[in-house]
Amino acid sequence: RKEVEQDPGPFNVPEGATVAFNCTYSNSASQSFFWYRQDCRKEPKLLMSVYSSGNEDGRFTAQLNRASQYISLLIRDSKLSDSATYLCVVSRGSTLGRLYFGRGTQLTVWP
Amino acid sequence: NAGVTQTPKFRVLKTGQSMTLLCAQDMNHEYMYWYRQDPGMGLRLIHYSVGEGTTAKGEVPDGYNVSRLKKQNFLLGLESAAPSQTSVYFCASSYGTAGSYNEQFFGPGTRLTVL
Repeated sequence: RKEVEQDPGPFNVPEGATVAFNCTYSNSASQSFFWYRQDCRKEPKLLMSVYSSGNEDGRFTAQLNRASQYISLLIRDSKLSDSATYLCVVSRGSTLGRLYFGRGTQLTVWP
Repeated sequence: NAGVTQTPKFRVLKTGQSMTLLCAQDMNHEYMYWYRQDPGMGLRLIHYSVGEGTTAKGEVPDGYNVSRLKKQNFLLGLESAAPSQTSVYFCASSYGTAGSYNEQFFGPGTRLTVL
């Protein structure tokens, strides 16, 4: 079983829509959680960390459910510039900073 | 402050040839990583380093070697390239391993084709 599983999509939504991505992780020892964004033919970049109590950054909201080993990302009022692949990422504190990446969920926002 | 840089950006090799990919970071990060990214496979860790002079194997280390002689540089070597090593290679670095220090900063990638 893969460490991190994501629905690959693609998700195609109109501007202004709300879209949600989900992710599950297999190792209960996972301690840190992130969403990275990767534009086409570019490197991944950190979008936001995910905290136990949930957190929000502008139009982006991340949630963590440790009991279900489930992470989510909600994007409100989608913009054309949100089109990218979103990578769910987890880290186990014991593995020297190693990150485990999901395969990514592709989002296209159309006008 | 250039962040993480990678050399070269593109390369085409013939089967059996060797090459070295160079990664450099100017953020004084202790931890450095090499990944490969293939369609449908996501990012997979090849090797990583937790400090100058130290390296460790990741998920897919076979066919690759690495060296970290200087803190700012992490080299990835292919001794005898195979078509299965056609991929996009990303280098990354991080300050630490806990919380926000675990954020990894990525280089722009090297697109390698092995014929």
